[in-house]
Amino acid sequence: NAGVTQTPKFRVLKTGQSMTLLCAQDMNHEYMYWYRQDPGMGLRLIHYSVGEGTTAKGEVPDGYNVSRLKKQNFLLGLESAAPSQTSVYFCASQLQGPILSNQPQHFGDGTRLSIL
Amino acid sequence: GQNIDQPTEMTATEGAIVQINCTYQTSGFNGLFWYQQHAGEAPTFLSYNVLDGLEEKGRFSSFLSRSKGYSYLLLKELQMKDSASYLCAVRVRSNDYKLSFGAGTTVTVRA
Repeated sequence: NAGVTQTPKFRVLKTGQSMTLLCAQDMNHEYMYWYRQDPGMGLRLIHYSVGEGTTAKGEVPDGYNVSRLKKQNFLLGLESAAPSQTSVYFCASQLQGPILSNQPQHFGDGTRLSIL
Repeated sequence: GQNIDQPTEMTATEGAIVQINCTYQTSGFNGLFWYQQHAGEAPTFLSYNVLDGLEEKGRFSSFLSRSKGYSYLLLKELQMKDSASYLCAVRVRSNDYKLSFGAGTTVTVRA
């Protein structure tokens, strides 16, 4: 019963380095999301995907790229890490349903990323 | 964008009741969710409201008034394990089910 799995769980980077965060879900969900969570600011949407091969920008997309080559995987890339990207990153997925569906987003355990 | 407000912190005693308020201003409301998040863990779904009124789930209840842009989460018979952050999230009317989150309310339960 894995649900949403994020790797890695922790990472420390130097400014300017690049890396990719992986999100995998085994629930056959259509929709997937990447958020960042910072103290006092709540969860902010970075990018999201409504299906395999599609991606779209969220509220804070600058400095990040994403790919959804397979339905179960959603990758978040940092092209050139900056200290302002130090945060906890959460991936979430959701089943497609009627527009008033009560289907919630299911979250992974998060990736704690520090940029020095 | 969406404007979602909730108190930063609340403290209550074990066995008591706590009410967490959430006010929102959105363009095209399509449902409100409450999530619980323990420190260092993932948010987990608690409740969903799309129509006015009260939804009850055991010790937790959630209320919605769409005309007032207002919701609350009521936690009854508080237990120590209820110490956590509670996130209010609003879904806007769109095809992508995006959520806008409030900053969260940290509830501390004291013995």
